[in-house]
Amino acid sequence: AQSVSQHNHHVILSEAASLELGCNYSYGGTVNLFWYVQYPGQHLQLLLKYFSGDPLVKGIKGFEAEFIKSKFSFNLRKPSVQWSDTAEYFCAVKGFSGNTGKLIFGQGTTLQVKP
Amino acid sequence: NAGVTQTPKFQVLKTGQSMTLQCAQDMNHEYMSWYRQDPGMGLRLIHYSVGAGITDQGEVPNGYNVSRSTTEDFPLRLLSAAPSQTSVYFCASSFRDRPSRGGYTFGSGTRLTVV
Repeated sequence: AQSVSQHNHHVILSEAASLELGCNYSYGGTVNLFWYVQYPGQHLQLLLKYFSGDPLVKGIKGFEAEFIKSKFSFNLRKPSVQWSDTAEYFCAVKGFSGNTGKLIFGQGTTLQVKP
Repeated sequence: NAGVTQTPKFQVLKTGQSMTLQCAQDMNHEYMSWYRQDPGMGLRLIHYSVGAGITDQGEVPNGYNVSRSTTEDFPLRLLSAAPSQTSVYFCASSFRDRPSRGGYTFGSGTRLTVV
């Protein structure tokens, strides 16, 4: 069965610190990979996505993620976080099986950036 | 504006009551799905549909029914609400098997409280 695991549940950083959020998935076939962000009181917004090609994906607001197929990982990074990055971050995987791929989410990581 | 529209935004139910959460999209997406979001659990897939007339169960389908009579609408029914169904519900849609067309579009959510 398809599953997603996010390593960190709660991360606290100071402004300008570097960020890396871990995401591992379990699925043996073709996948699409996503990172979503949810700011307080708002709905999900897409940060970035990987479908194919270059495994290093750049998204909005300076975020990037690297797909490492051998490790089944898709970690999210940002060189220097800002207070406005305080939010909850979700990794999600869509596995393709008979063209009925389901989007499955990890548990989420709450990021708190201190000014 | 194109997107996913969810109604209502807030709802309070008594245990045992029934209700329908509405979801509509105007992007001609084949794939629609319902998630519930609970603290520490991420988003969990309740039901999904790959097209009109076709629905399937997700990770946590018990207590919920769905139908898909049109491409645009995907209502979620709670037949007999229970306090365990207190949650925030999100509807999402996407093109079915054309990942190059983009990721998923999420509605703004319905906050449901069952007392």
